[in-house]
Amino acid sequence: DGGITQSPKYLFRKEGQNVTLSCEQNLNHDAMYWYRQDPGQGLRLIYYSQIVNDFQKGDIAEGYSVSREKKESFPLTVTSAQKNPTAFYLCASSVADRDPYEQYFGPGTRLTVT
Amino acid sequence: GEDVEQSLFLSVREGDSSVINCTYTDSSSTYLYWYKQEPGAGLQLLTYIFSNMDMKQDQRLTVLLNKKDKHLSLRIADTQTGDSAIYFCASRRASKIIFGSGTRLSIRP
Repeated sequence: DGGITQSPKYLFRKEGQNVTLSCEQNLNHDAMYWYRQDPGQGLRLIYYSQIVNDFQKGDIAEGYSVSREKKESFPLTVTSAQKNPTAFYLCASSVADRDPYEQYFGPGTRLTVT
Repeated sequence: GEDVEQSLFLSVREGDSSVINCTYTDSSSTYLYWYKQEPGAGLQLLTYIFSNMDMKQDQRLTVLLNKKDKHLSLRIADTQTGDSAIYFCASRRASKIIFGSGTRLSIRP
């Protein structure tokens, strides 16, 4: 079965700790994305990557970091510099630059920082 | 700037049609999308429309696009309890997709 997996579904951390969220896809997609979702708000783009070993900042990259060492994997690290890290994080992938540019989403990770 | 706006809530009676509206600001958007999100889950693409079309129908779903007014709507015919979800309007510009804040659709008996 092809798809995107995110683990874990729920994650709890203490303030001041870095935490890494996993995202893996077996769809052979070139492009991968991380979004943050807060209640009553749309998805906000954190980082995206169009190709291995390359990534770009999205609209709210401060306090986050990513790597793209393999096509299948795009982990997101939420650092202690992120002022408000509690949120629902969604990973997505797509075929790069081919219409209609559909993005496939993972099930999400809900991060709670106390 | 790029912006996609939609109302936050819609309540309809089971069996009626639901119409979810969206406005966008970027006239160079090439594709416009409707995504569905069920509680605690990721987003699922429902349908999309290319910017040179004005209507697309797919079973119970009808998408209308008014490019002049930059207005997009999603009509769900014969709304069922399984249609309860958050519906996101989104527009594509270059390699980015811009999402609205989502409309929570609730169904009453």
